[in-house]
Amino acid sequence: DQQVKQNSPSLSVQEGRISILNCDYTNSMFDYFLWYKKYPAEGPTFLISISSIKDKNEDGRFTVFLNKSAKHLSLHIVPSQPGDSAVYFCAAREYGNKLVFGAGTILRVKS
Amino acid sequence: ETGVTQSPTHLIKTRGQQVTLRCSSQSGHNTVSWYQQALGQGPQFIFQYYREEENGRGNFPPRFSGLQFPNYSSELNVNALELDDSALYLCASSPAGVSYNEQFFGPGTRLTVL
Repeated sequence: DQQVKQNSPSLSVQEGRISILNCDYTNSMFDYFLWYKKYPAEGPTFLISISSIKDKNEDGRFTVFLNKSAKHLSLHIVPSQPGDSAVYFCAAREYGNKLVFGAGTILRVKS
Repeated sequence: ETGVTQSPTHLIKTRGQQVTLRCSSQSGHNTVSWYQQALGQGPQFIFQYYREEENGRGNFPPRFSGLQFPNYSSELNVNALELDDSALYLCASSPAGVSYNEQFFGPGTRLTVL
């Protein structure tokens, strides 16, 4: 039973436009949500996070939105750059600091 | 500051064998977590170690075991390997065992079981 779902396996965006990556979850007990980016042959790198008590967190070009009633979060990247092309994982923190990951979305930014 | 390192990079084993994977935490980090990432999936939590004690475990059988050493480096041991154990094994460290915002991942060990 997948508690964190990323329903779009891939997304293609033109350079300079907005990239929106989506994530849905089922467990109301998650208290923290994180986005990780992964390049081939590298481990995931932390991008941005949001506490369950907030609805928005912004860091430069990256903004994460959380809709608790819908159990949905999204990552916005504006403007998108070719270097943003990677696999993006949504993760949620469960008890004991366990992270539950989605399956990932491949983002391709075309120049 | 040295990041998280893992060894070996790649490994090929046959079914029924045992394997040991190693991880060196980022400097100053005393918590290590291990994840299994199968092809096309996200990382799945195996277990976490904090100050040499297991501090949480995911839905993995007992043949997956671990150790953390006084220098906070860690090992993941898998006995009686099965074909489905073929995956990328990721180690992640963090600076505290109770509350933190993110974990820092190593590049992973690619295990192939034939």
